[in-house]
Amino acid sequence: DARVTQTPRHKVTEMGQEVTMRCQPILGHNTVFWYRQTMMQGLELLAYFRNRAPLDDSGMPKDRFSAEMPDATLATLKIQPSEPRDSAVYFCASGLGTSGGGGTGELFFGEGSRLTVL
Amino acid sequence: AQSVTQLDSQVPVFEEAPVELRCNYSSSVSVYLFWYVQYPNQGLQLLLKYLSGSTLVKGINGFEAEFNKSQTSFHLRKPSVHISDTAEYFCAVSPYSSASKIIFGSGTRLSIRP
Repeated sequence: DARVTQTPRHKVTEMGQEVTMRCQPILGHNTVFWYRQTMMQGLELLAYFRNRAPLDDSGMPKDRFSAEMPDATLATLKIQPSEPRDSAVYFCASGLGTSGGGGTGELFFGEGSRLTVL
Repeated sequence: AQSVTQLDSQVPVFEEAPVELRCNYSSSVSVYLFWYVQYPNQGLQLLLKYLSGSTLVKGINGFEAEFNKSQTSFHLRKPSVHISDTAEYFCAVSPYSSASKIIFGSGTRLSIRP
């Protein structure tokens, strides 16, 4: 049963510490998204990769957040330094893009990484 | 560019009552349409999707949605809800043949009262 895997599921850290969240997309998927979800802001798109290249990271605070795909099986989201306002659930999702990817744009989500910054 | 509007942020209904969650979209190109469901403390999962063909689409857990091109709507319905349907529901659109990304609505929280 193919699924998107995210680690860690839960992370509590102190302000100023570096946080790295990891995502293993479904094998064969060529698009990877990072979302942040909070009660106040809802679901926000942070970054979007296609064939491992970043296509849109306009939703991400550039001074402290960075997203990469070192290879096709791993996507990372890093926060350095972390702040209490970064507390949220971070979701990774993967799919087959509609443009030449043979897909419909449908996304498959991981279970999320719940981050608490004290 | 595409956009998705879910006018109702919260919908309370009694158990076994019917429910409709509204979704309207805007797009200059043809799109695929989706409804996702998020149960408490879980990720989003696909409820149903419209790709082409029949405008009435059936999904999991007894939900269905109807694509109305003239009204650019894709409302979600269930004739009789259960307590287990308590969740947040997201409407989404994805453009055909484009590198553009899927766009989600702001979500509708469905709360079921016994």
